[in-house]
Amino acid sequence: KAGVTQTPRYLIKTRGQQVTLSCSPISGHRSVSWYQQTPGQGLQFLFEYFSETQRNKGNFPGRFSGRQFSNSRSEMNVSTLELGDSALYLCATRWGSNTGELFFGEGSRLTVL
Amino acid sequence: KQEVTQIPAALSVPEGENLVLNCSFTDSAIYNLQWFRQDPGKGLTSLLLIQSSQREQTSGRLNASLDKSSGRSTLYIAASQPGDSATYLCAVEYNFNKFYFGSGTKLNVKP
Repeated sequence: KAGVTQTPRYLIKTRGQQVTLSCSPISGHRSVSWYQQTPGQGLQFLFEYFSETQRNKGNFPGRFSGRQFSNSRSEMNVSTLELGDSALYLCATRWGSNTGELFFGEGSRLTVL
Repeated sequence: KQEVTQIPAALSVPEGENLVLNCSFTDSAIYNLQWFRQDPGKGLTSLLLIQSSQREQTSGRLNASLDKSSGRSTLYIAASQPGDSATYLCAVEYNFNKFYFGSGTKLNVKP
């Protein structure tokens, strides 16, 4: 059974650019969450989608957005990149709501220069 | 505000030792608590999930307990091995699939 797949794994951008990250969940998982991990702040929740609807959002500026498609694949977008956006972005999926284990992908490592 | 604290921040033990990692949380109205390990530069690997109605879960050499009333969970690792070296993270779920993470315990098991 394939795990959570995130692409790209590594990317380098410059300030002001935008970036789109992709997450393909485990087959049958309808919930997709995104987290940002940095050495200083640890793991912080960005948002969660379930059946194409955003149900929960963390405390991040509007530059961070996401969406989920009918096949449960999800994308997150960061516009007008800042140096502080450099982080490991992790996608986590789950089959249901408040139920079952959360499974993570390997992450997308974003470096902003 | 929901906060999750993990103590100690780092731990170094000789191979074969039994050890306990601690996780505390401020709000007892949780849905689930999940333990993960993370190897350097990698994603998180799920170890154990404890539902709010459960007191403990076991998987191989791992045993996790949950005491909601005191806001505590422990992860017990028996007969530690060098391959157990990683950062262990505790995550608490309060509402729709939103987990709050502790800062982790970095474990080093010396051969």
